[in-house]
Amino acid sequence: GAGVSQSPSNKVTEKGKDVELRCDPISGHTALYWYRQSLGQGLEFLIYFQGNSAPDKSGLPSDRFSAERTGGSVSTLTIQRTQQEDSAVYLCASSINRGGQPQHFGDGTRLSIL
Amino acid sequence: AQRVTQPEKLLSVFKGAPVELKCNYSYSGSPELFWYVQYSRQRLQLLLRHISRESIKGFTADLNKGETSFHLKKPFAQEEDSAMYYCALSGGNTDKLIFGTGTRLQVFP
Repeated sequence: GAGVSQSPSNKVTEKGKDVELRCDPISGHTALYWYRQSLGQGLEFLIYFQGNSAPDKSGLPSDRFSAERTGGSVSTLTIQRTQQEDSAVYLCASSINRGGQPQHFGDGTRLSIL
Repeated sequence: AQRVTQPEKLLSVFKGAPVELKCNYSYSGSPELFWYVQYSRQRLQLLLRHISRESIKGFTADLNKGETSFHLKKPFAQEEDSAMYYCALSGGNTDKLIFGTGTRLQVFP
């Protein structure tokens, strides 16, 4: 596709359930990033992929959060045993490679935990 | 510590007035600085980056290493400039972006 695609666009789930968020980056972009945008916290980095490897997971807030990337393309962010504080917009971005290239963002997934 | 500070949550001006959105940063090395913009119901998109030294939609930003600032300026604001503006820096081994908390610009007719 022409841009970064994320699904679902909205997700409402009950506290304690697991959720999976998907990101399809721009074709050919080797770098992929997940960010979280929550009220009062701004935009926070979660994890960075280069290809299928994740050399920087420093932003993941707890061990309930994990992510993987397969085929150097699609990435999935999984949140286990969701808590209300997980409610946020989760944004994915990709860039053609490292080296200060601009990141292109998706529309995000708005996650609401009841 | 790496940090980006945008001191203004909201900036309101009238059409045709000059605009300056402030951004200060803290970083131990040589970062890349960016301005991202999010228009209503649109995705976050890059507005400009300091290494390009270009003007986009009439906006410019100059990196001042002495003052560790990267303020965004436009001499004559337009109504269509109304949006949320985020200053961000990247650096190190991953180029992850560190964002400020954003400034909402409102341009009144």
